[in-house]
Amino acid sequence: DAGVTQSPTHLIKTRGQHVTLRCSPISGHKSVSWYQQVLGQGPQFIFQYYEKEERGRGNFPDRFSARQFPNYSSELNVNALLLGDSALYLCANSRGGGSYNEQFFGPGTRLTVL
Amino acid sequence: ILNVEQSPQSLHVQEGDSTNFTCSFPSSNFYALHWYRWETAKSPEALFVMTLNGDEKKKGRISATLNTKEGYSYLYIKGSQPEDSATYLCAVAGNNRKLIWGLGTSLAVNP
Repeated sequence: DAGVTQSPTHLIKTRGQHVTLRCSPISGHKSVSWYQQVLGQGPQFIFQYYEKEERGRGNFPDRFSARQFPNYSSELNVNALLLGDSALYLCANSRGGGSYNEQFFGPGTRLTVL
Repeated sequence: ILNVEQSPQSLHVQEGDSTNFTCSFPSSNFYALHWYRWETAKSPEALFVMTLNGDEKKKGRISATLNTKEGYSYLYIKGSQPEDSATYLCAVAGNNRKLIWGLGTSLAVNP
């Protein structure tokens, strides 16, 4: 198993554009969580999906949305990009949906908004 | 509101030193605690998940304890090695089951 994979690895966008980030899970892991990590801060929780249903949402504006597909892969979409959206976006998988489950992280997507 | 605090913010030790750092959280709002190691240019790697008061877990030279009544967890590294250099992140899930992350402790081990 290749582990959690994310694409693209790096992305440069301009303000106002839209971006889609992708995450492919470890086989058999049904939960996916998305995090935003700004330099100097810990990861901030954005969304959790389990069995294709939203389980949790962090304190992010409606410009952020996500979905999980039948194969448990996931997309994070961000509309109307702002400079402050520049960050590392991490995807994490776990077997179950509970917060006591160990999370396996992907390498992240580095988004730069100019 | 669940607030997770980690101390110290950064730490420099010599190879062979033992070290420890702290993760603090509100004791009234606790469900689970995670420790992760995040090395530069790599993904965060899970070390421990702990849920019970008094829990102690060990993985090689690294161990962790949990005190849910007073709201803290300690992470210990015995005989630090240069490869232990990383940021150590603590995340706590409260009653709403969402993981809240601390800012991490950055450890540098000098050979």
